[in-house]
Amino acid sequence: DTGVSQDPRHKITKRGQNVTFRCDPISEHNRLYWYRQTLGQGPEFLTYFQNEAQLEKSRLLSDRFSAERPKGSFSTLEIQRTEQGDSAMYLCASSWGGGAGYTFGSGTRLTVV
Amino acid sequence: DQQVKQNSPSLSVQEGRISILNCDYTNSMFDYFLWYKKYPAEGPTFLISISSIKDKNEDGRFTVFLNKSAKHLSLHIVPSQPGDSAVYFCAASDRFGGGTSYGKLTFGQGTILTVHP
Repeated sequence: DTGVSQDPRHKITKRGQNVTFRCDPISEHNRLYWYRQTLGQGPEFLTYFQNEAQLEKSRLLSDRFSAERPKGSFSTLEIQRTEQGDSAMYLCASSWGGGAGYTFGSGTRLTVV
Repeated sequence: DQQVKQNSPSLSVQEGRISILNCDYTNSMFDYFLWYKKYPAEGPTFLISISSIKDKNEDGRFTVFLNKSAKHLSLHIVPSQPGDSAVYFCAASDRFGGGTSYGKLTFGQGTILTVHP
């Protein structure tokens, strides 16, 4: 297993378009997290799943954002009607239980023009 | 409301010397703290953590100190190496004591560490 994989690495989209990102966690990890990072800031929590259940969502996750983790494996994060303020690095991470830090993927950089 | 703050945007250190990165928090419910390192074009990588029942945790060249009364933690890197040059984030959780792992993390803004040869 090569770690947490995110696809695509980069996405440029026009304002108003919908985008979808995919995250493949480490296979034995039961928890999957989505974070967003803007320039000069630390990652901000968006949501997390334990297996297929979405346990918590941040207030940052407006109605235009939706995340799924069917069958407790990979996850998708969809942003509808993108806005320029959505431009950021979207990071996915996974973990097994807790105690140690979780493993992040390399992220998907979204640019909304 | 920035609950975790890293007030130094950058730090420059000579190779072989000590690097000290600082972090302050405001939420007294935080009971678990972590440090991550991030290189450009990569995701953050876990370095070291500490629970609130301890005041020090050491792993090789990295030591984290926690002062709960001051709501302050620091990461010491000794000796510093050029390969340590990266952005360092501290993060905190308020879930660890529940015994169900720490879930959501709140991150600071990061400190850019540069270690000069």
